[in-house]
Amino acid sequence: QKEVEQNSGPLSVPEGAIASLNCTYSDRGSQSFFWYRQYSGKSPELIMSIYSNGDKEDGRFTAQLNKASQYVSLLIRDSQPSDSATYLCAVNGVVFGAGTILRVKS
Amino acid sequence: EPEVTQTPSHQVTQMGQEVILRCVPISNHLYFYWYRQILGQKVEFLVSFYNNEISEKSEIFDDQFSVERPDGSNFTLKIRSTKLEDSAMYFCASSITQDRGYGYTFGSGTRLTVV
Repeated sequence: QKEVEQNSGPLSVPEGAIASLNCTYSDRGSQSFFWYRQYSGKSPELIMSIYSNGDKEDGRFTAQLNKASQYVSLLIRDSQPSDSATYLCAVNGVVFGAGTILRVKS
Repeated sequence: EPEVTQTPSHQVTQMGQEVILRCVPISNHLYFYWYRQILGQKVEFLVSFYNNEISEKSEIFDDQFSVERPDGSNFTLKIRSTKLEDSAMYFCASSITQDRGYGYTFGSGTRLTVV
């Protein structure tokens, strides 16, 4: 059974801080990894994709991948209240984690 | 910005009835997907579709489910005999390439309520 694990949270950070979201996966052969943001009652929205070890930056977001440790993370710099949402980690597009709730407090 | 369009936004049906959920993917996308999300639970992959064929399906996608691309724009999910546990949000998604590094664009979803 292919699994993707995320801490359900909620993760609370103050406005302007760095939020760090983590994800582990069980299938060592996984090739591509995604972070989606999902607001309550809405559909997932792609934030970042990554498929090579290391860091990938896009604006305030940085995805980090460590295939040896089977670990993916998402850093959100200068967190804003509008970043408050559930963040979903997805592997190979077909296995999603349950999501981490992020709350950014102003 | 191009969108994936899903209709209806909410459908209520009686147990045992057939439902068809409709999706219009982004026009130049070639790969199409259905996911579902039971309230409060994780997004679950159902099926992927390319070149008029199912390319991958999950254990959830059993004989009561089928997909079709009846014309050049629509992509449908049919549930033949709905059960209470089919109540969920159903998301359609599409992508331009099978390179999963691109990620998928999701539609706004159809909330299916089986009573």
